[in-house]
Amino acid sequence: EVQLVESGGGLVKPGGSLRLSCAASGFNFADAWMSWVRQAPGRGLEWVGRIKSKRSGGTADYAPPVKGRFTMSRDDSKNTVYLQVDSLQSEDTGVYYCTWDIFGSGSYYFAYWGQGTLVTVSS
Amino acid sequence: DIQMTQSPSSLSASVGDRVTISCRASQTISGYLNWYQQKPGKAPKLLMYATSNLQGGVPSRFSGSGSGTDFTLTISSLQPEDFATYYCQQGYSTSYTFGQGTKLENK
Repeated sequence: EVQLVESGGGLVKPGGSLRLSCAASGFNFADAWMSWVRQAPGRGLEWVGRIKSKRSGGTADYAPPVKGRFTMSRDDSKNTVYLQVDSLQSEDTGVYYCTWDIFGSGSYYFAYWGQGTLVTVSS
Repeated sequence: DIQMTQSPSSLSASVGDRVTISCRASQTISGYLNWYQQKPGKAPKLLMYATSNLQGGVPSRFSGSGSGTDFTLTISSLQPEDFATYYCQQGYSTSYTFGQGTKLENK
């Protein structure tokens, strides 16, 4: 059974930092491309970033609002993907979901989601 | 980045109704359009990928169509458990942008 378990969220002051973690199980994590998707309170879904497998280069791509402030990394020995979030702003408040990127019929989609971890940026 | 626009933003319907939600991309995304359902306090659930491929376990009353820039999610006969918010998402290129959502409410 595929499981994605996020942790690391919390209350942080503007300008602060957090490191979010996502522990994966039930699939071949080393070959997986992983994304983070966030959702501000009462708002829609927003893709944050994606990290490729090391076999595919291990590089990460980010949405424009977070580029330069957020950094994704992975530790395949721990089946864990991380999201380092720096220079946090109030607009970054929301639930952060970890997802496994599936490529099927030509499309990238998110078939598996964690339960989410809440980040609150407030003074 | 590719922008995704859903319509309507909200919709009131009754059990048994046929419901259609539209999604338009700002540029062609071929058939690489996915649909999700989200209920309050829960993670989104994948319904459909690549326009019309039903994810395992999703009831056959859900169907998808479209190509290029215009896509549709149809629920043939609305059931009580279908009241939720629906999102489209383009799987054509990074960033994997989502539509703003369509909230389906009980009339």
